[in-house]
Amino acid sequence: SQELEQSPQSLIVQEGKNLTINCTSSKTLYGLYWYKQKYGEGLIFLMMLQKGGEEKSHEKITAKLDEKKQQSSLHITASQPSHAGIYLCGAPNAGNMLTFGGGTRLMVKP
Amino acid sequence: DGGITQSPKYLFRKEGQNVTLSCEQNLNHDAMYWYRQDPGQGLRLIYYSQIVNDFQKGDIAEGYSVSREKKESFPLTVTSAQKNPTAFYLCASSIFPAAGGPRAKNIQYFGAGTRLSVL
Repeated sequence: SQELEQSPQSLIVQEGKNLTINCTSSKTLYGLYWYKQKYGEGLIFLMMLQKGGEEKSHEKITAKLDEKKQQSSLHITASQPSHAGIYLCGAPNAGNMLTFGGGTRLMVKP
Repeated sequence: DGGITQSPKYLFRKEGQNVTLSCEQNLNHDAMYWYRQDPGQGLRLIYYSQIVNDFQKGDIAEGYSVSREKKESFPLTVTSAQKNPTAFYLCASSIFPAAGGPRAKNIQYFGAGTRLSVL
């Protein structure tokens, strides 16, 4: 079965700094979903990447998909306290069911 | 407002007891899902349903049961056979694509979760 490894597992950054979270798959990536979760709450959809080389941005968050490396990255520019939370990547299998990574916990220090 | 409602937010189970978690959506989505999240871990799929009166086991279905009698509702029962039920349970729904395979867009929208603990 597919496994998704996220790195780092946790991250503490100073407000205003940039950061990158990686999601690496053990198998071919057909696409990649990024979600954000506030502690003790549900997941909020951020963006979906459907093909290799694709890059999407929303406000200060940019995600890229590198199918050859079986990897996706999520980059936050000029981080703010509102970016704090858990970021999870999810990849569809052949049946379009999602497998999720373990999450990256982000804290932003004011 | 359209969305997914999970209840209760917190639930306590006594040994040997079955408990039911509620999940209701008014997004007119065909597909619904139940996931389990353990501390520091990602989500694991328990059951999913792509159509009323049909559902499929996910990766960790043992000790759980579901029903899908209405499009809007997908309750999850945690039975006494589930020996380690303490976890955060998340329900989701999506417009499951009829074609296109894994590259077809299948954005899942999540409820706020139910935290289940054992007394």
